[in-house]
Amino acid sequence: DAMVIQNPRYQVTQFGKPVTLSCSQTLNHNVMYWYQQKSSQAPKLLFHYYDKDFNNEADTPDNFQSRRPNTSFCFLDIRSPGLGDAAMYLCAVGGRGETQYFGPGTRLLVL
Amino acid sequence: DAKTTQPTSMDCAEGRAANLPCNHSTISGNEYVYWYRQIHSQGPQYIIHGLKNNETNEMASLIITEDRKSSTLILPHATLRDTAVYYCIVRVRNDYKLSFGAGTTVTVRA
Repeated sequence: DAMVIQNPRYQVTQFGKPVTLSCSQTLNHNVMYWYQQKSSQAPKLLFHYYDKDFNNEADTPDNFQSRRPNTSFCFLDIRSPGLGDAAMYLCAVGGRGETQYFGPGTRLLVL
Repeated sequence: DAKTTQPTSMDCAEGRAANLPCNHSTISGNEYVYWYRQIHSQGPQYIIHGLKNNETNEMASLIITEDRKSSTLILPHATLRDTAVYYCIVRVRNDYKLSFGAGTTVTVRA
């Protein structure tokens, strides 16, 4: 009974080739988050959606975009991945001020 | 602008209690203390949170000092599966954001 599902768990892409990571939830939370976690570092928030309202962190590169077609799904699009974008991408859900629950993550490798 | 300070690493013995300290000396009245852990190659897992009272759940206990400037997460009977990075996070009430620091790498040894 997974609550936050991320697919795929591992994604390999080529330098500059657009890639999309997906996240879905069974909890019906109105807020969905995307974090980036590079090797040996702590997770870092990229952006979040409050319902359909998109909120970007100030230092998130333009190369990262997101879509949320409905309450259950949220996508992370990396338009032109560079070697520095290789990381674990974590999706989380939770209401404002509420506990956040994380998915298992997608590990992205850029060749 | 780290809001918490944690030891980089600690070891503990299997079956014993693990006491993980966290300093948050600049915490304000509307900020909660959250604890998450991250087992290798998995997503962070919520453990517990509190405002000023001590809290206990099936995973752990959280002891917050009276002045709220520090706290301790207690894993009552550590097992090998508790080996993970433990993050202490201060979060504003009603805020969206969780800001992770470096955390404490806890290794439970048999």
